[in-house]
Amino acid sequence: KAGVTQTPRYLIKTRGQQVTLSCSPISGHRSVSWYQQTPGQGLQFLFEYFSETQRNKGNFPGRFSGRQFSNSRSEMNVSTLELGDSALYLCASSLKGGWQPQHFGDGTRLSIL
Amino acid sequence: KNEVEQSPQNLTAQEGEFITINCSYSVGISALHWLQQHPGGGIVSLFMLSSGKKKHGRLIATINIQEKHSSLHITASHPRDSAVYICAVSPWGNDMRFGAGTRLTVKP
Repeated sequence: KAGVTQTPRYLIKTRGQQVTLSCSPISGHRSVSWYQQTPGQGLQFLFEYFSETQRNKGNFPGRFSGRQFSNSRSEMNVSTLELGDSALYLCASSLKGGWQPQHFGDGTRLSIL
Repeated sequence: KNEVEQSPQNLTAQEGEFITINCSYSVGISALHWLQQHPGGGIVSLFMLSSGKKKHGRLIATINIQEKHSSLHITASHPRDSAVYICAVSPWGNDMRFGAGTRLTVKP
């Protein structure tokens, strides 16, 4: 069974640009969560999608958005990139979210120049 | 003050030693998670628990809900256990709050 797949693995952008990251969950998993990891702030929860609806949201500005498609694949978008957005972005999937173990992807490392 | 505090921040052990990593939290939770992150970033979920104790191989996780405290134990540590161990709590659903992590190095 394939694991959680995130693309691309590495990305370099400049300030002011926007970026879209993709996450394909494990087959059958309907919950996808996104996290940001930086050296200064550590891991932080961005949002969770379940059945194409955002179910939970962390404390991030509106520049961070996401969506989930009918096949449970999810995308995360960051607009007007700032230097501080440089981070490892991780997604995780689970069957239903909530009281379920999560399976993490290897992440997308985003660098802002 | 962080909602999730881990100790120690760094830990170096000799192969074969018994290791304990502690996690204290200050919010009500539905679940507590222990995660393992190897260099390169990949994260593996080791345990998810809301009460008592769980064991998987050489790893044991315990939680005391009344004291808001959890411990991760590694018995007979091995160099391949070297990684960052992260405690996270879920007040609700997948809104996880993370500790800063404990960097474990096991020397042969």
